Amino acid sequence: ELKVEQNPLFLSMQEGKNYTIYCNYSTTSDRLYWYRQDPGKSLESLFVLLSNGAVKQEGRLMASLDTKARLSTLHITAAVHDLSATYFCAVREGGGADGLTFGKGTHLIIQP
Amino acid sequence: EAQVTQNPRYLITVTGKKLTVTCSQNMNHEYMSWYRQDPGLGLRQIYYSMNVEVTDKGDVPEGYKVSRKEKRNFPLILESPSPNQTSLYFCASSSPRQGTANTEAFFGQGTRLTVV
Repeated sequence: ELKVEQNPLFLSMQEGKNYTIYCNYSTTSDRLYWYRQDPGKSLESLFVLLSNGAVKQEGRLMASLDTKARLSTLHITAAVHDLSATYFCAVREGGGADGLTFGKGTHLIIQP
Repeated sequence: EAQVTQNPRYLITVTGKKLTVTCSQNMNHEYMSWYRQDPGLGLRQIYYSMNVEVTDKGDVPEGYKVSRKEKRNFPLILESPSPNQTSLYFCASSSPRQGTANTEAFFGQGTRLTVV
């Protein structure tokens, strides 16, 4: 059974600081997603990572994937208040059905 | 515009009264699925469908039914809702496994269901 663990589950940080959210998963995967969710809203796709060593960046967010370690990271650079949200990683199990297994999410609050 | 549309967005109902939440996508995706989101539990998959007339259970299927008579629609049916089905529900669709052009999974806006 595929398990996905995110750390931390809650993070309060100040603007301008850097931080990393970690996503560990337990079995082989061929696709990893990062999503953002604002309160009361749907999930917004941020990144799709398909291969070992994949790195994608969008603004102050950068995601990477290490399939050997079964680890993805979402790095926030010089955080700004607008990045406050809940971030989810989701993993599709390699060779299995197309369903995604989600982490519990990281609730991020960025304070001025 | 590519989108997944759910209806209704909000619903309050009573225990035992059958309800259906509709989901429609306009991207010609083969794969569709339903998730529920609960505090502290993240998103959990209820049912999924890999194509028309092909459906299968996800991680938490009890108390739910689905159907896939057309490619674009994937309704979620609660035959006899109970209070423990109070949750936020999301429908999603994505491109088939063999495709490479688009690997994103698109989510609907969510349906907040309260069963009293």
